[in-house]
Amino acid sequence: GAVVSQHPSRVICKSGTSVKIECRSLDFQATTMFWYRQFPKQSLMLMATSNEGSKATYEQGVEKDKFLINHASLTLSTLTVTSAHPEDSSFYICSADPFSGAENTEAFFGQGTRLTVV
Amino acid sequence: AQSVTQLDSQVPVFEEAPVELRCNYSSSVSVYLFWYVQYPNQGLQLLLKYLSGSTLVKGINGFEAEFNKSQTSFHLRKPSVHISDTAEYFCAVSDKGSYIPTFGRGTSLIVHP
Repeated sequence: GAVVSQHPSRVICKSGTSVKIECRSLDFQATTMFWYRQFPKQSLMLMATSNEGSKATYEQGVEKDKFLINHASLTLSTLTVTSAHPEDSSFYICSADPFSGAENTEAFFGQGTRLTVV
Repeated sequence: AQSVTQLDSQVPVFEEAPVELRCNYSSSVSVYLFWYVQYPNQGLQLLLKYLSGSTLVKGINGFEAEFNKSQTSFHLRKPSVHISDTAEYFCAVSDKGSYIPTFGRGTSLIVHP
């Protein structure tokens, strides 16, 4: 199946700093990528849909100025958590939709990034 | 709008025993259904999916699930679990033609020796 790689897998940062998380599709092109957030013992909540070459679409309640998304190429989307605070500590997961022109049936997930803000 | 209900937040079971993880969904349109597994501090791995056709779907690691349209359920089963099956399991649903799943809250499967 398609491979999606996230980097870093873990990051610890100081409060007030910014952190960038990368999501790459390794063996396919992805016009659309998705960013999820997962709190401990909870499900995945969709934060935003990242579209190559255009602005991301954010879900209700997600601060777009705090969670900056850039999808500059068909294989890379980045999520930058700006001015991070301890409450931003969470597990962030990306997924990508393989662009094949046919009806897509599933997205493929990265391995996730554990962000800890101290 | 869709929703997914995983009735059990935690399912403890002994090794080699059978297990069923329950999932019910609601949707006004035709759907695709998925089960994902998540090991600690890792992303999601697809176990199996139902798109159409046979209602009994077989996946990886010996898991299977049955789509029941009348009961709007998609329960996951395994006849004999291993310690290594200990993980979080997520049921998900998406509209046909969409690739943005809605996830259930997850069920923690804990396999005891």
